[in-house]
Amino acid sequence: AQTVTQSQPEMSVQEAETVTLSCTYDTSESDYYLFWYKQPPSRQMILVIRQEAYKQQNATENRFSVNFQKAAKSFSLKISDSQLGDAAMYFCASKGQGGSEKLVFGKGTKLTVNP
Amino acid sequence: KAGVTQTPRYLIKTRGQQVTLSCSPISGHRSVSWYQQTPGQGLQFLFEYFSETQRNKGNFPGRFSGRQFSNSRSEMNVSTLELGDSALYLCASSSLLDTQYFGPGTRLTVL
Repeated sequence: AQTVTQSQPEMSVQEAETVTLSCTYDTSESDYYLFWYKQPPSRQMILVIRQEAYKQQNATENRFSVNFQKAAKSFSLKISDSQLGDAAMYFCASKGQGGSEKLVFGKGTKLTVNP
Repeated sequence: KAGVTQTPRYLIKTRGQQVTLSCSPISGHRSVSWYQQTPGQGLQFLFEYFSETQRNKGNFPGRFSGRQFSNSRSEMNVSTLELGDSALYLCASSSLLDTQYFGPGTRLTVL
């Protein structure tokens, strides 16, 4: 069974500053994927970044990067140069590679960006 | 490419009724998954379909069912609606072993 834990229900950051959202996970699968999704007030779930567990290099997408610590089962998201449009719920999710597309989500972190 | 579409976007039903929600995946995607999102329980997996076959099912009562058609479009059905079924129902599509892309969701309110 997979579990995903986000220990920060809410975070805030000043515009143009950097913020890090935490996520820990547990899985019995030897190979798996990790994701960060963003859900703004429109409720549309948007992919932010994806990490394959077999890759040691941390994934990066423009202002978004992850710190993937496989041994510690930690997968944090860093948002640099925060913008007002980054305000949203952020969900960490995991998916095994064993024949199912099922995503297991954390409870989410609400990010507020202050002007 | 068009994204995942879900219809209807909003629904209001009364207890005891049944409801059918529809999801059209991204062109070329054969896997469709459904999730229920509520403030209390968060995002919970309902079921997953691939090539018209249910590959995985979450821990929901038998009132929740789904199917997938040959064109990969999927429907989910909830019978004998209860107040607790009020939720945002999200559909996601993917190619196998790839990222899931979500639709805008259907907001179901049960009165």
